[in-house]
Amino acid sequence: DVKVTQSSRYLVKRTGEKVFLECVQDMDHENMFWYRQDPGLGLRLIYFSYDVKMKEKGDIPEGYSVSREKKERFSLILESASTNQTSMYLCASSLPPGQGNIQYFGAGTRLSVL
Amino acid sequence: AQSVTQLGSHVSVSEGALVLLRCNYSSSVPPYLFWYVQYPNQGLQLLLKYTTGATLVKGINGFEAEFKKSETSFHLTKPSAHMSDAAEYFCAVSSQGSGAQKLVFGQGTRLTINP
Repeated sequence: DVKVTQSSRYLVKRTGEKVFLECVQDMDHENMFWYRQDPGLGLRLIYFSYDVKMKEKGDIPEGYSVSREKKERFSLILESASTNQTSMYLCASSLPPGQGNIQYFGAGTRLSVL
Repeated sequence: AQSVTQLGSHVSVSEGALVLLRCNYSSSVPPYLFWYVQYPNQGLQLLLKYTTGATLVKGINGFEAEFKKSETSFHLTKPSAHMSDAAEYFCAVSSQGSGAQKLVFGQGTRLTINP
């Protein structure tokens, strides 16, 4: 089974803190994704990575950055957390196109910024 | 640009009744279409997908969906609802070809099952 592991289920941070959300996948997938999930808005793509050290902005990248130093690990960074970044964050990984394009998700990190 | 619209943010059915969750998509190229389910406090898991070929797709837990190109729809159905089907359901679209990595999700439909 594919396993995507997010390091924390719940996080509480203060406004202005630097926040790291970590995601690890064990299936040697090239592609990894970070989404934000808010009620009524579905999932919105923040960033994705299609190879080590390669990244591309998604639909809502403002206020976020990412790091992918190793194939299995994709980190989301909030440089200076703000209250409007309180949300559920989901990480996913997938094989390249032509191999089904199925994304596998972690359990999510619920972040509260106070 | 691709988009997905799920009609109804909340759907409530009785146990044993038909489940119908609606999804319409917009895509200028042949799409891949997906339904994902999210149970409380969990990530998303794939229910079913359409890539090419047969337009009626069967998934896990008795769900199925039909791709109708003329209606740009990919509605999800299940003949008889179970209490365990209570969850949030997301429809998603991506494009075939080299740019197929990204998914565009709908807003989600929360399904409630009444005993």
